Amino acid sequence: AQSVTQLDSQVPVFEEAPVELRCNYSSSVSVYLFWYVQYPNQGLQLLLKYLSGSTLVESINGFEAEFNKSQTSFHLRKPSVHISDTAEYFCAVSDRASGTYKYIFGTGTRLKVLA
Amino acid sequence: SQTIHQWPATLVQPVGSPLSLECTVEGTSNPNLYWYRQAAGRGLQLLFYSIGIGQISSEVPQNLSASRPQDRQFILSSKKLLLSDSGFYLCAWSLSGETQYFGPGTRLLVL
Repeated sequence: AQSVTQLDSQVPVFEEAPVELRCNYSSSVSVYLFWYVQYPNQGLQLLLKYLSGSTLVESINGFEAEFNKSQTSFHLRKPSVHISDTAEYFCAVSDRASGTYKYIFGTGTRLKVLA
Repeated sequence: SQTIHQWPATLVQPVGSPLSLECTVEGTSNPNLYWYRQAAGRGLQLLFYSIGIGQISSEVPQNLSASRPQDRQFILSSKKLLLSDSGFYLCAWSLSGETQYFGPGTRLLVL
């Protein structure tokens, strides 16, 4: 069965520094990949997604992620973080072959941006 | 544009009491609908999903149930709440199964 691993439960980083949040999944066969962001006491907001095509995908607020099939990874990066990026980030994988498009979520990474 | 609503936003219930959480979607037809639970410090667990009216699939055996009485309405219920039912409940929708869009969530505290 598909599984998603976010090894870092918490990542502290200073403002304007770069950050990488890691995501690995168990099977690269026919998957969709997603990153969601959750602010306190709110629902999840879609940050970016990989469905097909270019393996590098970008969000409107400066985040990017690269689908690496050989390493079964979809790491999230930002070259310069802001205080407002403080939130919890979830990686999710959808198994296209199953036909149900159910998501498997990682356990989340809490990004704390320090002034 | 599509919007998704959940209510109530917060709920405090005693153990053994019933539960009904509601989720509605506006601006789309025949969406796939999902219920997730997020326990404190943990990821999201898929509880139920539905691809159409009256079609519910359960992912985890538990004392919760789901129903879809209308195309854009998804209800999560319990006859008797347990302490372990506390958590943050999220509803989501998708079309064609690609991207899921989440509601604001309901925080449930069972005492």
